[in-house]
Amino acid sequence: QSVLTQPPSASGTPGQRVTISCSGSSSNIGSNYVYWYQQLPGTAPKLLIYRNDQRPSGVPDRFSGSRSGTSASLAISGLRSEDEADYYCAAWDDSLSEVFGGGTKLTVL
Amino acid sequence: QVQLQESGPGLVKPSETLSLTCTVSGYSIGSGYFWGWIRQPPGKGLEWIGSISHSGSSYYNPSLKSRVTISLDTSKNYFSLKVTSVAAADTAMYYCARDFESYGSGSFNFWGQGTLVTVSS
Repeated sequence: QSVLTQPPSASGTPGQRVTISCSGSSSNIGSNYVYWYQQLPGTAPKLLIYRNDQRPSGVPDRFSGSRSGTSASLAISGLRSEDEADYYCAAWDDSLSEVFGGGTKLTVL
Repeated sequence: QVQLQESGPGLVKPSETLSLTCTVSGYSIGSGYFWGWIRQPPGKGLEWIGSISHSGSSYYNPSLKSRVTISLDTSKNYFSLKVTSVAAADTAMYYCARDFESYGSGSFNFWGQGTLVTVSS
């Protein structure tokens, strides 16, 4: 059971905009930065969003992040087939541990 | 370009110690940043194990703290993970990674390819 809560699955059609939610508490999302990762099948995770809403260089602006209170979300616009992957949110928790969401499997229909 | 590569036994017996090494190229680990270990059981999500600073200060996931040690060798440019008293629940893909932020944010932007460790007799 993960500290951060994500929906297990999400889906969309090419070109559509999809949003993945991540719910936490005051000790993690509510007081620390949120990060998002994309994990393609059989590969290591890739940092997609840092400090709630910032994109590392090379990440398309189709990906955006936001945080409000103890929740965060990742939005993907102009959905493409290559976006089909698992997505994880993460945040530092004041219990002195990095915590992850359980992951959301995104299917492009 | 920073590159990381995990190495170590792929099979460990229950109650024994799991030992992995992460060799880093393209950056001197003693120069800065935090270096971490993350694991992922087959078909499941990610779990942060712990991190170590370039100066050797380490911190661990409280749920694993009693069994985990992370150390680094700056002369050979690698850092290591030891997990004692392993059980089947420790079977996972183990990744080493470099923290994205120099202060140790717990987020990682350079990852190794991962190494699968199976705990079985």
